[in-house]
Formats: sequence, structure tokens, C-alpha cells
Amino acid sequence: EAQVTQNPRYLITVTGKKLTVTCSQNMNHEYMSWYRQDPGLGLRQIYYSMNVEVTDKGDVPEGYKVSRKEKRNFPLILESPSPNQTSLYFCASSLRDTSYEQYFGPGTRLTVT
Amino acid sequence: DAKTTQPPSMDCAEGRAANLPCNHSTISGNEYVYWYRQIHSQGPQYIIHGLKNNETNEMASLIITEDRKSSTLILPHATLRDTAVYYCIVRPVDAGGTSYGKLTFGQGTILTVHP
Repeated sequence: EAQVTQNPRYLITVTGKKLTVTCSQNMNHEYMSWYRQDPGLGLRQIYYSMNVEVTDKGDVPEGYKVSRKEKRNFPLILESPSPNQTSLYFCASSLRDTSYEQYFGPGTRLTVT
Repeated sequence: DAKTTQPPSMDCAEGRAANLPCNHSTISGNEYVYWYRQIHSQGPQYIIHGLKNNETNEMASLIITEDRKSSTLILPHATLRDTAVYYCIVRPVDAGGTSYGKLTFGQGTILTVHP
């Protein structure tokens, strides 16, 4: 089944403890991206990647890192999480770029205390 | 990207057509109109997209005005499962069919379908 998977789905952590949220797609898609969603602010793009080893900032990249060493994986790294990074995170992928249908993962709900 | 304006909320009776408007008065000639929806806390789902001709698929129809300054997403027979936030997005596509850069979702329209 074609899908985007994220792990973990739920995570509660403490301020400053490094964490990684994984994202994987099995559709051989070139474009991958991360979003966060907060009440009243909607979906905001954090980082995106047009292909392996090519990443760029979205609208809210501060406090996040990403890497794209393989086509299928696009992990989101929070080196030193803070409470304002408590949010619902979505990973997405598409065949080539944003002109193509975006496939979203199920979401990761992160709480930083 | 062209800015879009959508009503914050709409209601629709089950079985009736839901018509969701989107204003994009500053749209450029190479910008497509995309629609996505998000059912509560799930990942957004692609619905349809178009440039200037009306489009239809198994989920919905997209009507774009002749001047392309606005569009309407039509769900022909809304069901309770269509209750969601609907996002209208405008994206530029170059001559090679590529749309570079980041994707920005606005606030969308909360559609509530009631029995």
C-alpha cells in the first residue's frame, strides 16, 4: 500500500532533550516536507526537500533540522526542544514537486514540557 | 504565490451540494488552483486542481471563473464524512510543469455537513 509513515505517533518529552521524528514513504517520491499545525495558525511548512541531499527552509524552520540522505526518508530533528514546539506534525511527499498531489502522513502529536 | 481568501465557515445539509468559494484576485497566468481538505486532526487530503478549465473527478468539481479571479469547489452530494476544513491554494507552475518551493496553506473553510 502506498503510504507515508511517521514515528512516533505520540511523544511527550522534556525541554532540551534531543528527539527525532521519522518519516518514510514507499512511493519513490522526490519531494518531501514537514508541517506543523497549531490551533488558530493552520498548517505551516517547516522544511522541504526537492530530492536527496536537497533541502530548504519553509515558513517556520527555526529550532528544527532535517536531512535527506535517502529518497524514502526525511527525518525531523529537534536538537533542543522547547515548549513552543508542542504541536501536531505532518510529513508529506509528492512525486516531484508541489504541482503534484501531496500525500500526508498520519501526524505526530508532540508535547514538550 | 497569489493570496487566497475563503470564508471561515459554511454549513450544508446532508445530500445537498456544498459550494465552497475561493477568491484569488491576484492570480497569475501560470498559477494553478489546488484544493485540499483535512478531516479533524488527520493529514490533509488532495481533492482536485485546475488552471482555467473546469475540472471534475470522483470527489468533486472545480469551477474557475473566466477571469480566473475566483473558483468554487463543489461537492455534489455532501455527506457527514465531508465535514472538514477545506483549503484553497494557488501555486505557480513553470513551463516544464514544475512548481518549486514551499507550499503554504491558509486558514481554510470549515465545512459542517449536518443531517
